[in-house]
Amino acid sequence: KAGVTQTPRYLIKTRGQQVTLSCSPISGHRSVSWYQQTPGQGLQFLFEYFSETQRNKGNFPGRFSGRQFSNSRSEMNVSTLELGDSALYLCASSPEGEVWTEAFFGQGTRLTVV
Amino acid sequence: DAKTTQPNSMESNEEEPVHLPCNHSTISGTDYIHWYRQLPSQGPEYVIHGLTSNVNNRMASLAIAEDRKSSTLILHRATLRDAAVYYCLPPGGGSYIPTFGRGTSLIVHP
Repeated sequence: KAGVTQTPRYLIKTRGQQVTLSCSPISGHRSVSWYQQTPGQGLQFLFEYFSETQRNKGNFPGRFSGRQFSNSRSEMNVSTLELGDSALYLCASSPEGEVWTEAFFGQGTRLTVV
Repeated sequence: DAKTTQPNSMESNEEEPVHLPCNHSTISGTDYIHWYRQLPSQGPEYVIHGLTSNVNNRMASLAIAEDRKSSTLILHRATLRDAAVYYCLPPGGGSYIPTFGRGTSLIVHP
């Protein structure tokens, strides 16, 4: 069974540009969550999608957005990039159940904003 | 918000047991306790979770205090591959979304 796949693995962008990151969840998983990891702030929750709907949202500005497709694949977009957006962006997928038990994380996309 | 308290770092020697503590004094009745770890240059990976009684799996054991306000992740024989940051997640259930604190950085000496 393939794991969570994130593309690209590395990305360098210039301030002011926008970027789109992609996440393919484990087959059969319908919940996809996104996290930002930086040395200063640690792992912070961005948002979660389930069945193409944003179900939960973290405390990030509107420049950060996402979507989920009918096949559960998800993308996140960051517009008007700032230097502080440089981070490891992680995607996690979970099987749907009454009690959330286990999230499977991808290896992340390392974004550098220059 | 529910919170957890973990030591910033711990050290162990290879082949020895490691006990990683976590306090979650705000836990409520049906909240689960989850542990994850993050190896260098990788995304976090699930380790174990539990509700009331102690739990074992191939990776670790989870000992939960009787009042459930604390738990201990036990690695029975640490290996160099166990060097990672271990996260005890704030308790939650239902449509719970995992939130990560700073975790405990485990250093394993050969």
